[in-house]
Amino acid sequence: DAGVIQSPRHEVTEMGQEVTLRCKPISGHDYLFWYRQTMMRGLELLIYFNNNVPIDDSGMPEDRFSAKMPNASFSTLKIQPSEPRDSAVYFCASRQGAAKNIQYFGAGTRLSVL
Amino acid sequence: GESVGLHLPTLSVQEGDNSIINCAYSNSASDYFIWYKQESGKGPQFIIDIRSNMDKRQGQRVTVLLNKTVKHLSLQIAATQPGDSAVYFCAESTGGYNKLIFGAGTRLAVHP
Repeated sequence: DAGVIQSPRHEVTEMGQEVTLRCKPISGHDYLFWYRQTMMRGLELLIYFNNNVPIDDSGMPEDRFSAKMPNASFSTLKIQPSEPRDSAVYFCASRQGAAKNIQYFGAGTRLSVL
Repeated sequence: GESVGLHLPTLSVQEGDNSIINCAYSNSASDYFIWYKQESGKGPQFIIDIRSNMDKRQGQRVTVLLNKTVKHLSLQIAATQPGDSAVYFCAESTGGYNKLIFGAGTRLAVHP
């Protein structure tokens, strides 16, 4: 398997623009996670899905952030409108139900909002 | 690469030496403690975990020690290699396996 695939790897946008980050989890994994990594706050869980259903979105910073998982092989994290403080590396991770603590992370998307 | 230039504490070791990376945690109710490794330009990678009712667990070249009395976790890497150079995060898992709370991380630099 190719692992968790995220796109794009880098995104540069201007304040106020809509940003969509994409993730393809590992086939057969039934949990998907979105994280944000910043210098100030470290690695934070934003939201996670189980069998395509959002289970906990308490980490989503505000209403400008939304995430969807229309099917088992695809998820998006959208920021609208984007702000400079959203600049960070966003990671997607997936895991198989039985694997408990083993989450497999993608390579991340580095977002810069100017 | 896709990693953040965090101003992290750094542990510098010579190739072949043993490394010990420490972590303090806060939640006594955490069920599991996990170590992840993040190489430059990559996402975190699972190394090893330990259940809260254990005090030691060994893997391949790694050992995790848990001291619940002082809320301290450590990762020992035997015969450290250049490929071990990375940022190491400890994480806590509470009430299930899905909400991981990550620590700030420690950078391990291995010198030849």
